[in-house]
Amino acid sequence: KAGVTQTPRYLIKTRGQQVTLSCSPISGHRSVSWYQQTPGQGLQFLFEYFSETQRNKGNFPGRFSGRQFSNSRSEMNVSTLELGDSALYLCASSLGRGGEKLFFGSGTQLSVL
Amino acid sequence: GESVGLHLPTLSVQEGDNSIINCAYSNSASDYFIWYKQESGKGPQFIIDIRSNMDKRQGQRVTVLLNKTVKHLSLQIAATQPGDSAVYFCAEKAGAGNMLTFGWGTRLMVKP
Repeated sequence: KAGVTQTPRYLIKTRGQQVTLSCSPISGHRSVSWYQQTPGQGLQFLFEYFSETQRNKGNFPGRFSGRQFSNSRSEMNVSTLELGDSALYLCASSLGRGGEKLFFGSGTQLSVL
Repeated sequence: GESVGLHLPTLSVQEGDNSIINCAYSNSASDYFIWYKQESGKGPQFIIDIRSNMDKRQGQRVTVLLNKTVKHLSLQIAATQPGDSAVYFCAEKAGAGNMLTFGWGTRLMVKP
């Protein structure tokens, strides 16, 4: 079974631009979660989608948004990029029942210049 | 133990020794706990999990202990190998869904 796939692997943007990251979950998984990882803040939860609906949301500004498609694939978007948005963005998938192991992708490394 | 920001606590062990990584969690309502291993350039990899109605769970070479009284979680790795070198994170979940709150992580270094 293929693992969680995130694209692109690396991304360089400038301040003020917007970016879209993509995540394909493990086949059969209906929940997709997004996390931001930085040296200064560690791993922080962004949001979780289940059956195309946002089930949980972390404490991030509205510039961070996401969506999930009917095939469970998910995208997250960051608008008006700031230098502090430079981070590793990780996607994780799970079956969707809640309180279960999450399987992470390798992440998208975003650098904002 | 936990640290803040860039300065992860480091546990250095000799190959073949047992390792114990500790984690203090914050939410007494958390009902699910999980340990992840992260190697450089990779995403977190699942190691073992435990629910709040248990106090111990064993896997292959790993054991997780949960003490709800003091809100403490530990990961024991038996016969530590060089391939175990990585950063280890504990995470907790409270409420519906899969929203995990991660600890800061501990770097494990295994000396051959």
